[in-house]
Amino acid sequence: QSVLTQPPSVSGAPGLRVTISCTGSISNIGAGYDVHWYQQLPGTAPKLLIYGNNNRPSGVPDRFSGSKSGTSASLAITGLQAEDEADYYCQSHDSNFSGSNWVFGGGTKLTVL
Amino acid sequence: EVQLIESGGDLVQPGGSLRLSCVASGFTFSSYWMSWVRQAPGKGLEWVANIKQDGSEKYYVDSVKGRFTISRDNAKNSLYLQVINLRVEDTAVYYCARVIGSYGHGGDYWGQGTQVAVSS
Repeated sequence: QSVLTQPPSVSGAPGLRVTISCTGSISNIGAGYDVHWYQQLPGTAPKLLIYGNNNRPSGVPDRFSGSKSGTSASLAITGLQAEDEADYYCQSHDSNFSGSNWVFGGGTKLTVL
Repeated sequence: EVQLIESGGDLVQPGGSLRLSCVASGFTFSSYWMSWVRQAPGKGLEWVANIKQDGSEKYYVDSVKGRFTISRDNAKNSLYLQVINLRVEDTAVYYCARVIGSYGHGGDYWGQGTQVAVSS
């Protein structure tokens, strides 16, 4: 049971737009903690995709964008491409746990039809 | 170019021990918090432990407290995870990650991972 809730899967046709939701609570996203998103291609390590809710690291296409509101966050991917097929994870911090912890969503598998 | 290279994973029996290592390059290692994150087969990501730049603060997920110890050697640009009393449920790929400096959580660079398998 993950602290942050994501849909297990989403799909979309090439060129279209999909969004992935990440639902938290008042002890994590709702407390004002920032949300990061990671992309994990099959058989590889996670890669930072969005940091601080809506910032893209250098090299990440502007087709990827993030937003946050209340106790939830979202990742949007426009102009879907076959290479976007991957697992996506949201991550934040939670004040219910001691120390400098990270909490993750369970991950969302994106299928490009 | 930032690089993180893990090693030390192996197949061990329940109750066994390992020392995982992560060698960093391409950045000033001593200036960053560092973390270990694991991923069990077919499962999601789970944060394991964090360590402050000078090693003075360390934090662990509850399930590994008392069994895992995170440490670092800034002179060797290296991060370590000593794991003892391993359980079957510790089976996972273990990643080291550099913590995003201004946020205190999250990883901006990740290693390729090292596999730990616990089985009798």
